[in-house]
Amino acid sequence: AQKITQTQPGMFVQEKEAVTLDCTYDTSDPSYGLFWYKQPSSGEMIFLIYQGSYDQQNATEGRYSLNFQKARKSANLVISASQLGDSAMYFCAMREGGGTSYGKLTFGQGTILTVHP
Amino acid sequence: NAGVTQTPKFQVLKTGQSMTLQCAQDMNHEYMSWYRQDPGMGLRLIHYSVGAGITDQGEVPNGYNVSRSTTEDFPLRLLSAAPSQTSVYFCASSTGHPDTQYFGPGTRLTVL
Repeated sequence: AQKITQTQPGMFVQEKEAVTLDCTYDTSDPSYGLFWYKQPSSGEMIFLIYQGSYDQQNATEGRYSLNFQKARKSANLVISASQLGDSAMYFCAMREGGGTSYGKLTFGQGTILTVHP
Repeated sequence: NAGVTQTPKFQVLKTGQSMTLQCAQDMNHEYMSWYRQDPGMGLRLIHYSVGAGITDQGEVPNGYNVSRSTTEDFPLRLLSAAPSQTSVYFCASSTGHPDTQYFGPGTRLTVL
């Protein structure tokens, strides 16, 4: 079974609008971490946002927020006020387990986001 | 700080050749990892390390060796390159909670 599922191969959004990128995960471990990374066409992996399984509030980092619905096992990334520079591949990833699992991420297949002017 | 550095950026090998991909970090991070990214796919974990002298296998370890003699360096060795190892290789490092991994720029490897 897939540990991380990103069901949207591609998404389009108009500049200045908000967009939600979906991510569902599968784990039976009560302790885990969820991450979103951006990969522009240049290829580097850029960390965007982190949500811990015990965090009570949804994580936010500037224009990025993570809509964490624990019961549904979803961790959707919301990008507000999209910019042309947001066009990239976006990956959801999970660290399953606590401290003994640091350094081990499982990635989804990614979603390509295209921002139109 | 340079962060996570990887060399080389590009490499072409012939089937059966061996080589080492270098990875270094200057952030004093305990945890280091190697991933591969195949076209149109997410990253998959090859090997990881929780500190100097300690390494373990990830999801796709076959054909690769690692060692970690210092906190800073975590080289990945391809023992006998195969076309199936054509990929982009990323090294990453992290500290403890929240263990956000910071990635190097990647090495694009082609095996002919």
